[in-house]
Formats: sequence, C-alpha cells, structure tokens
Amino acid sequence: EPEVTQTPSHQVTQMGQEVILRCVPISNHLYFYWYRQILGQKVEFLVSFYNNEISEKSEIFDDQFSVERPDGSNFTLKIRSTKLEDSAMYFCASRTGTSTDTQYFGPGTRLTVL
Amino acid sequence: RKEVEQDPGPFNVPEGATVAFNCTYSNSASQSFFWYRQDCRKEPKLLMSVYSSGNEDGRFTAQLNRASQYISLLIRDSKLSDSATYLCVVRNSGNTPLVFGKGTRLSVIA
Repeated sequence: EPEVTQTPSHQVTQMGQEVILRCVPISNHLYFYWYRQILGQKVEFLVSFYNNEISEKSEIFDDQFSVERPDGSNFTLKIRSTKLEDSAMYFCASRTGTSTDTQYFGPGTRLTVL
Repeated sequence: RKEVEQDPGPFNVPEGATVAFNCTYSNSASQSFFWYRQDCRKEPKLLMSVYSSGNEDGRFTAQLNRASQYISLLIRDSKLSDSATYLCVVRNSGNTPLVFGKGTRLSVIA
C-alpha cells in the first residue's frame, strides 16, 4: 500500500539554526500539507500546497517557514531560524484532491530545538 | 469557542466494554467529518469517515447530528489494541485543511 514517507524521523538542532524537513507524498496525490503537534497538544495545520504554490496557510506559518516542491516527488518544510517553541512533531500529509477523499499522514519528524 | 471540542478523558475501560466518545464542532458550514486514531508519538490514522446517516465498521459506529453539531463514536467489545487517542476531525469544505480536536484518550485494561 502506498504511503507518505518523511525524513528524518528525529532532528535535533540548536536555536537559531535552519532545518529542512522532507516528505515524499503518495505519487498520484495532488494536495500536500504540513501539520505540527506540540507534545500534549492538538494537531495544528501549518500550510497546504497545490499546483506548485501555497493554497492556504495558518497564522503559525510566518516568515520563518517556507515550503517547496523541488522535484516531482519531494515536498519540504524549511524553518529558517528555529526557536525553542518550534519543538514539535511535524506531519506531512497528502490527498488526491477529490471532494470526498481523505488525507494520509506520514510518520512525522520529531524536531527538538535546544 | 474552540472549533472542535472533545472530552480529553482518559477513559479506562475493561476488555469487552462498550465505550462512547463525543465531539462538538463550531462551524455549522462544516462538510466532512472523521474519526482518526493516534497512537503515542505516531501519526494520525483514519479510523472512519462519518456520514449523516450514521455508519458502522465492525465494532465501530459513528454518528453525526448536523443540527446539534455533534459527532459520536461508539466502540463495542473493546480490545487491548483499541488503546489510543481518538481524534475528532472536521473539514470545512473540499480542499480546506483538517481541523482537529485535542483527542480523547482510551485505555483498555485486561
């Protein structure tokens, strides 16, 4: 069964450093998403991406964040200058794009900012 | 008011018990409704979509009441493997992102 994959599974970084989280969505999916989940809190939407551009973003997704689809398979989330409060699980998700389909989530990247 | 509200639990139930979770959502224009399951430090996984007529999948039954903006999940004959956090999830329209509740934690005890 096709699945969304994410790398790395765990990333430790120093405050102020840049990190890039990588995702490979399911191959025939057209919509891509990043969500995050701070420990003990709910899953929160960050950004959605369709047709090579951002289609929607939340207030969390400020200028420190960017997304890119550099080739036909990868979808990346970059945090330019990490803060302690960026420590969270980051989940990538994708869906085909029909009105009734569901989102499939990757296993997540645990980001720890020291 | 939070967009999706759930009783956080935990619900501690013996094997074989029936347990029900409830959820309310604030946006009356919401179109799609789901229950996801999340194991500790893992990704959310779709358990079932929720339809207006109600739907059942084995031991799991989901109900939607649009007038009350209320969603429920019933688990019959609980198994140890059902122990997880159950997330109530809403999508406001076709291509908008999912909106998650904080989840209800279930522990099934032998």
